[in-house]
Amino acid sequence: AQKITQTQPGMFVQEKEAVTLDCTYDTSDPSYGLFWYKQPSSGEMIFLIYQGSYDQQNATEGRYSLNFQKARKSANLVISASQLGDSAMYFCAMRERGSYQLIWGAGTKLIIKP
Amino acid sequence: DAGVTQSPTHLIKTRGQQVTLRCSPKSGHDTVSWYQQALGQGPQFIFQYYEEEERQRGNFPDRFSGHQFPNYSSELNVNALLLGDSALYLCASSLYGRDSNQPQHFGDGTRLSIL
Repeated sequence: AQKITQTQPGMFVQEKEAVTLDCTYDTSDPSYGLFWYKQPSSGEMIFLIYQGSYDQQNATEGRYSLNFQKARKSANLVISASQLGDSAMYFCAMRERGSYQLIWGAGTKLIIKP
Repeated sequence: DAGVTQSPTHLIKTRGQQVTLRCSPKSGHDTVSWYQQALGQGPQFIFQYYEEEERQRGNFPDRFSGHQFPNYSSELNVNALLLGDSALYLCASSLYGRDSNQPQHFGDGTRLSIL
């Protein structure tokens, strides 16, 4: 069964608009962490933001915020005021407590239009 | 502050050959993980090394093996290469810990093509 689901294969967004990238996850472990990464065409995987399962508040990092809805098992990434440089693949990943591996979604290709 | 470095950047091999990929972790990190990313897909976990031992392994055959050195750098070896091994191989480093909040930092990857 898919543990991380990203339902949007691709998105086009106008520059300066906000964008929400969807991520749902499946785990029976009460302790886990959720991560978002950005992968430009060059290939490097860039860490953006982290949300812990016990965190009371949604994580924020500059223009990135995470809309964490634990009961619905969703962890959507929100990018405010999008820029042309935001064009990239975006991956949602999860790490369960006691495991060393990141489990990844299939990614969303985001294209920012000028 | 040196980030994760991987070498080589690109590599072309033929079926049946063997390949070694190298990774130096980010300064201060002691744990190295390897991932395989096929075109158009998310990364798949191969294994993780800490204290020169394999700590966890993903669903990959024994043709995939690794090593970690005392300076924390790591190698990924793949034997008897198959066409399906063509992928971007990503190395990630982090601080060791069972807490799930440690972000892994990635290198630029090695793009391996099998002819």
